[in-house]
Amino acid sequence: AQSVSQHNHHVILSEAASLELGCNYSYGGTVNLFWYVQYPGQHLQLLLKYFSGDPLVKGIKGFEAEFIKSKFSFNLRKPSVQWSDTAEYFCAVNAWGNNDMRFGAGTRLTVKP
Amino acid sequence: DAGVIQSPRHEVTEMGQEVTLRCKPISGHDYLFWYRQTMMRGLELLIYFNNNVPIDDSGMPEDRFSAKMPNASFSTLKIQPSEPRDSAVYFCASSPGTSGGDTQYFGPGTRLTVL
Repeated sequence: AQSVSQHNHHVILSEAASLELGCNYSYGGTVNLFWYVQYPGQHLQLLLKYFSGDPLVKGIKGFEAEFIKSKFSFNLRKPSVQWSDTAEYFCAVNAWGNNDMRFGAGTRLTVKP
Repeated sequence: DAGVIQSPRHEVTEMGQEVTLRCKPISGHDYLFWYRQTMMRGLELLIYFNNNVPIDDSGMPEDRFSAKMPNASFSTLKIQPSEPRDSAVYFCASSPGTSGGDTQYFGPGTRLTVL
């Protein structure tokens, strides 16, 4: 079965700093990849997803992620974070043909004003 | 569409009591998922349904947990008897479900506290 690793447990940045959150997955076949965000006290919302095509995916609120197949990675980036980006970010993967989605442990992002 | 609806939003109960969590998926979605989120274990998939049929319940922690989906617009997750270690946020999600896998849309969650 597929699994997901998020190496950063808690990231603290100042506003306007650049962000990169790491995500690696383990699965040898074709995968669909997702980043979800959970704002404090709220439910998970989709930030962006990759199914096929251009490995650089753009999502909402200025986020993007790059799928590097050779590295089994799908890192999330944002050039300039805002205080309102403070949230928990989850990487997720499902194997193509399988609706069983696996989530990483999450990375808590704190942006200082 | 109103999105995935869960009730109650908060539940506080005493150990040994039966707890029932409810979920209404987005209309037209073929897949429904139940997750549990805790600080210690993160987000865990408990069970998921396709067209009202349970497909994989390997994540259900033990026999005290059961889930049903009597029709396309309603599912329940029941814990009987409840224990303090069941305290968590329980999320329901639904997905249109293509053969390749698809985005899941999450409900607001039910925060369960078992005293």
